Amino acid sequence: GAGVSQTPSNKVTEKGKYVELRCDPISGHTALYWYRQSLGQGPEFLIYFQGTGAADDSGLPNDRFFAVRPEGSVSTLKIQRTERGDSAVYLCASSLTRATNSPLHFGNGTRLTVT
Amino acid sequence: AQKVTQAQTEISVVEKEDVTLDCVYETRDTTYYLFWYKQPPSGELVFLIRRNSFDEQNEISGRYSWNFQKSTSSFNFTITASQVVDSAVYFCALRRNSGNTPLVFGKGTRLSVIA
Repeated sequence: GAGVSQTPSNKVTEKGKYVELRCDPISGHTALYWYRQSLGQGPEFLIYFQGTGAADDSGLPNDRFFAVRPEGSVSTLKIQRTERGDSAVYLCASSLTRATNSPLHFGNGTRLTVT
Repeated sequence: AQKVTQAQTEISVVEKEDVTLDCVYETRDTTYYLFWYKQPPSGELVFLIRRNSFDEQNEISGRYSWNFQKSTSSFNFTITASQVVDSAVYFCALRRNSGNTPLVFGKGTRLSVIA
């Protein structure tokens, strides 16, 4: 079956611009996660959705970052007034349930470059 | 606080050698889950294994084996008879077994298997 799909795969934007990154989770997965991975580092948690609501957004670095999941399926990560330090690979993952033993299934990520 | 340490940044082995990737974790929780993920050059994180903190039995799956030792807070991963296709970055991760808690990753170990 289809895995987690993220679009675009690459995004180059100028400093100060607004970007949206899209995640289409595995069908039927209720939990959705956003992570950010910088070069040479492990993924860092940003936000987690259970259904339509953000269950934990403690990883969002500041108020320029926002994410939505209006219908409990597709999610969009939005970054306002982008900065060069936002450059990273943004990973989306989904899991069948919110249970802590439910493995996360990751997409290929969106590589964001802010020039 | 949850923390995962993968002290080995990079490892290089010759094909057919055995290799062990170390993972040490910190948590105050008595129940938790440990995971290993593989990130090949394509970028997608692939789930390998999940281990419950109550289950200290070692596990073997083909050429892969995992050694969980609660007494030393370690969850090491061994690849037997390594192959070039094993070349990837491997991440160890920890998740508390309570509430809406994110998966916390280590920084990863880059394994290069040379033919």
